[in-house]
Amino acid sequence: NAGVMQNPRHLVRRRGQEARLRCSPMKGHSHVYWYRQLPEEGLKFMVYLQKENIIDESGMPKERFSAEFPKEGPSILRIQQVVRGDSAAYFCASSPRGRDTEAFFGQGTRLTVV
Amino acid sequence: GQQLNQSPQSMFIQEGEDVSMNCTSSSIFNTWLWYKQEPGEGPVLLIALYKAGELTSNGRLTAQFGITRKDSFLNISASIPSDVGIYFCAGTAGNKLTFGGGTRVLVKP
Repeated sequence: NAGVMQNPRHLVRRRGQEARLRCSPMKGHSHVYWYRQLPEEGLKFMVYLQKENIIDESGMPKERFSAEFPKEGPSILRIQQVVRGDSAAYFCASSPRGRDTEAFFGQGTRLTVV
Repeated sequence: GQQLNQSPQSMFIQEGEDVSMNCTSSSIFNTWLWYKQEPGEGPVLLIALYKAGELTSNGRLTAQFGITRKDSFLNISASIPSDVGIYFCAGTAGNKLTFGGGTRVLVKP
């Protein structure tokens, strides 16, 4: 049973470009969380999704950031018109049920904006 | 919003020592999770706790779900060099998964 797969592991974008980060949850998991981590800091919640639904996006910046989890395929975190401050590690975690259960993390995507 | 206060922020370990860290909150959580993160990697789930008062072990790790449901601790017994890393607690309340700020475990020089 493969773990949570994130790709790419490293992504370099120039200011103003778009970044697309992908997360394939563990088999049988239909709940996905996205977190952002700055160097030497903790995990900051961004968004929680179930298949085809955004359940909680209270941690997402209002502009430039969006997330989806389609019926088929991976969850995507999209950052439009990236700025240097978007440079961070982005982690997704998947969960079998979402409510009050364990969540398993991928290895993250390290985004560098130059 | 819900917040988890994790302490200590950092600690030095000497091989063979037992160490302890904890998380507290003013909010009630239904599940407590403990993760370890190493440089360049994602957090790895160590222990999951589902009931108030529950005490669970995973090798040299032991964690407890506080009886008030507002706290949890993690103990590492007989620490070894590969225990270094950042340990995070996390609590769930419904759909919300909230993380503490982490405890950085370092080796004594």
